[in-house]
Amino acid sequence: DTGVSQDPRHKITKRGQNVTFRCDPISEHNRLYWYRQTLGQGPEFLTYFQNEAQLEKSRLLSNRFSAERPKGSFSTLEIQRTEQGDSAMYLCASSTAKGEQYFGPGTRLTVT
Amino acid sequence: QQQVKQSPQSLIVQKGGISIINCAYENTAFDYFPWYQQFPGKGPALLIAIRPDVSEKKEGRFTISFNKSAKQFSLHIMDSQPGDSATYFCAASISGSARQLTFGSGTQLTVLP
Repeated sequence: DTGVSQDPRHKITKRGQNVTFRCDPISEHNRLYWYRQTLGQGPEFLTYFQNEAQLEKSRLLSNRFSAERPKGSFSTLEIQRTEQGDSAMYLCASSTAKGEQYFGPGTRLTVT
Repeated sequence: QQQVKQSPQSLIVQKGGISIINCAYENTAFDYFPWYQQFPGKGPALLIAIRPDVSEKKEGRFTISFNKSAKQFSLHIMDSQPGDSATYFCAASISGSARQLTFGSGTQLTVLP
């Protein structure tokens, strides 16, 4: 399967703990996006990378969130001091410069 | 600020019928309009997309109709099948930028056998 992959698929954590998610984009895609989706809503943009550079961040991305894409390949999204409001599906998408975004299966985070 | 409004929230259609989902946008800078299909527990999958230089695009049973002056676009699913039962999202983005997608709130489609 050469699509976007995400790991883990599910994560349950206690409030106050740190969590890290990984995204592996489609290999020839230089653009990588993180979105957050809560139940019954459409995905909301969090941040965007072009190669290894993080070029855009949403106001939704509080200072407890940090994302990296070393060497322009896989990306990680870390949430520090998790809160119950962080419970959501975290989606990664990748694209070429043409702009069609392909999504991974997501990581479902539950903060107890 | 909700920049893409989607309706209806839910839709029930008989097998073989036509499913129609509508979206309206506010930002006239949007110039790329995709539709995504999402099954429970899965990520959104790109179905079909349109740019404002055409008024209609058809791929198989799926058609997008686009009305630039009204700032509206819609998805038509012809000959709807039970396997089409899913949540559908419209979205919009701006070329030449980060191209992040702004999504509608989704339509839960149920196709009855």
